[in-house]
Amino acid sequence: QLQLQESGPGLVKPSETLSLTCTVSGGSISSSSYYWGWIRQPPGKGLEWIGSIYYSGSTYYNPSLKSRVTISVDTSKNQFSLKLSSVTAADTAVYYCARRLKWFDPWGQGTLVTVSS
Amino acid sequence: QSALTQPRSVSGSPGQSVTISCTGTSSDVGGYNYVSWYQQHPGKAPKLMIYDVSKRPSGVPDRFSGSKSGNTASLTISGLQAEDEADYYCCSYAGSYTFYVVFGGGTKLTVL
Repeated sequence: QLQLQESGPGLVKPSETLSLTCTVSGGSISSSSYYWGWIRQPPGKGLEWIGSIYYSGSTYYNPSLKSRVTISVDTSKNQFSLKLSSVTAADTAVYYCARRLKWFDPWGQGTLVTVSS
Repeated sequence: QSALTQPRSVSGSPGQSVTISCTGTSSDVGGYNYVSWYQQHPGKAPKLMIYDVSKRPSGVPDRFSGSKSGNTASLTISGLQAEDEADYYCCSYAGSYTFYVVFGGGTKLTVL
């Protein structure tokens, strides 16, 4: 059964870079049928798609975040990663990783990242 | 790229049916048959309930059904049960060149 797990610092200072990793187990990240994505959810608010990546490295980003986002993949570790630069308090959210076709399934459990000095 | 429009809240009594709407544009909901719906209980990750407008993943009760007409998709839950109380989000593919995805703002379902 495919499982995803987010990891990374839970606290990031304003203006710094948020870095998270998603580890995939129970299947290969190099499967040709799937993309892999990041989604976030600010406290008490809705879901926001951040971006997606194919195992070959092709990426697609939400236009509203594109200038600050980098998603990369490490097939040797069965992981993909998110970097979000110049963070502010508005980037405080639960960050989820998920496998993507034209839908997202399954999802990781999510990790709360707080932006605060 | 604007969020899809969902009602903030809906409610129903056990055994009743409720429908949650999700309105987009011809560039997303209306342009592709790639609408998905997610159920989220408090403190939990979203769970896929419907994909490709009306398909149910294995393990999702057939009380959950999806449909689409024009730029509006709908999720119907029949035979409401207490455990259906949750937030529901719609999601649509939004572009073959850009591979964008857009979510709805979410709907809180209360089982009375």
